Amino acid sequence: KAGVTQTPRYLIKTRGQQVTLSCSPISGHRSVSWYQQTPGQGLQFLFEYFSETQRNKGNFPGRFSGRQFSNSRSEMNVSTLELGDSALYLCASSFSEAGELFFGEGSRLTVL
Amino acid sequence: AQSVTQPDIHITVSEGASLELRCNYSYGATPYLFWYVQSPGQGLQLLLKYFSGDTLVQGIKGFEAEFKRSQSSFNLRKPSVHWSDAAEYFCAVEKTQAGTALIFGKGTTLSVSS
Repeated sequence: KAGVTQTPRYLIKTRGQQVTLSCSPISGHRSVSWYQQTPGQGLQFLFEYFSETQRNKGNFPGRFSGRQFSNSRSEMNVSTLELGDSALYLCASSFSEAGELFFGEGSRLTVL
Repeated sequence: AQSVTQPDIHITVSEGASLELRCNYSYGATPYLFWYVQSPGQGLQLLLKYFSGDTLVQGIKGFEAEFKRSQSSFNLRKPSVHWSDAAEYFCAVEKTQAGTALIFGKGTTLSVSS
């Protein structure tokens, strides 16, 4: 069974630009969640989607958004990038509501 | 507010020695608790989880953790560490009524010396 796939793995943007990250969950998993990982703040929950609906949202500004498609694939978008948005963005999928999260290898975003 | 504290930022253990990584949580009810491991350049992998029942939980790679409600702790242990265990370890608690949203501790980096 293929794991969680995130694309792109690495990207460099400049301040003010926007970025879209993609996540393909494990087949059969309907929940996809996103986390931001930085050295200073650690792992922080961004949002979770289940059956194309945002089920939960973390404490991030509105510049961070996401969506989920009917095939459970998910994208997250960050608009008007700031230097502080440089981070590893991790996507995780889950089969059940209170179950194990399966993480992808992440997309490393550098904002210059 | 829910929170997870991992008091040790970095631990070094000799290969073959035992290991204990500490985790304390703040949570109003019975928590769902997890330990994840992250190797450099990789995503996170679940080692073990506690939902209810037996307070001693067995995980993969020879790890175990004990849930102690009285101490609000969920410490991770391994009797004999291997060099391949060198990684960063994260303790997490599931947010209340929030699907699969997790609150993570800041992590403990484990180094293994020969």
